[in-house]
Formats: sequence, C-alpha cells, structure tokens
Amino acid sequence: DTAVSQTPKYLVTQMGNDKSIKCEQNLGHDTMYWYKQDSKKFLKIMFSYNNKELIINETVPNRFSPKSPDKAHLNLHINSLELGDSAVYFCASSQFGSRPGVNYGYTFGSGTRLTVV
Amino acid sequence: QKEVEQDPGPLSVPEGAIVSLNCTYSNSAFQYFMWYRQYSRKGPELLMYTYSSGNKEDGRFTAQVDKSSKYISLFIRDSQPSDSATYLCAMSLGYGNKLVFGAGTILRVKS
Repeated sequence: DTAVSQTPKYLVTQMGNDKSIKCEQNLGHDTMYWYKQDSKKFLKIMFSYNNKELIINETVPNRFSPKSPDKAHLNLHINSLELGDSAVYFCASSQFGSRPGVNYGYTFGSGTRLTVV
Repeated sequence: QKEVEQDPGPLSVPEGAIVSLNCTYSNSAFQYFMWYRQYSRKGPELLMYTYSSGNKEDGRFTAQVDKSSKYISLFIRDSQPSDSATYLCAMSLGYGNKLVFGAGTILRVKS
C-alpha cells in the first residue's frame, strides 16, 4: 500500500507541450510538497500546500502551476515545456504542526522522471 | 555559498568499515536535522531525524548534531553493500517549513 504515489513514473515529451504530474498520499498528512531534483541530484523545493492552501512558492517560472483539490492530492501542471525542465520531480508529504521531538520527516514518492526533447 | 554544504563523493569503502558522512550549514536558525537515503531511481527515504543538538542512535546508524559548529554527521557502523546509495542531509527552521537539502554524498560499499 504505497504511502505517496506519483503518476506517471516516466514522461517524455516535446518542447512546448503542456503536461501534468499527479500525486496522492494516504498517510493522513496535511502538508504536501513538490521538489525538483536536477542531474546532480540536488533537491530543491518548488511548492508546498497545507490543507489545500499554498504556503511555499519558491522562485519557479509561472509556467509551473500546482493545484491541491484536497489535502491528500497535489498536482503539478507545466505549460510550454523547455529543455531545462528535464529533471526528476518528487512529491512529498508531512504533518505540519508536529510537536518538537516528534518525527518531522517527509515521506517522498518515487519520483516522475521528466525528459523534454 | 549554499545554505547546506555536503561533499558529493563518491566515497568508496570496504564492507565492514565505519562510514562518516558530514554536512555543514550557514543558517544557525535550523532546528530540525535529517538524513535521507536514496537508492538509484527511487525517492529519498528518511533514515534519521534529530531535533536540536546531540546524538541519536538507531541500529548501525548514529546521527550527531553540533549546532555550535553548524555541523552534522551520520555514522554507519559495519557498513554493508546494501548501504550503497546517495545520502542526503536535510534541515529545517521548524515544523511546517521547507526542508533544505545538501547535494548528497554517493556511498559505495565494496564486498
């Protein structure tokens, strides 16, 4: 029973196309995130939603638009894809407002490997 | 200068060795410190979590945080080939805040 699941796992598409990645978590967490991992394995946050409300929006081109229909789902839509968007995109979830000392770790999905050609 | 610095390696050790992985950081406000392990083509999985300074042990893994030096470490005892992965340190200002990751250290344990 997968805790954080992303679809699709692989996505190969042409420059200029629009694509979406979906994420669902069944952990009962109230906060979800999108991270981008580049070719050098560096993980950088893009967005965070808490109970469907956007709380973190890093400097990301506005071609990227997240949507959270409910606290268990977070999708990422990308318009006008560019070569530089090729990366692995990870969804993660955690419980906001955990008390200090309580495990505050993210649970990550297995990633969506996006290749723009 | 990056907020979190981590030597990317690769670090190659023989089976049974003690491995030391380290990160330094610049923001003294970080309170939560984590280590993640990432196997090839998989998502990161949480290995160790510490709050504030001190040591924490879990089986063969020990996490150390020295806030005065802004330095965190992960020690792996009796390393196994199955420990071969990328190890990422991560830290946060507080719960609900974003995690800031190091670049990851590639570890190879040779049998």
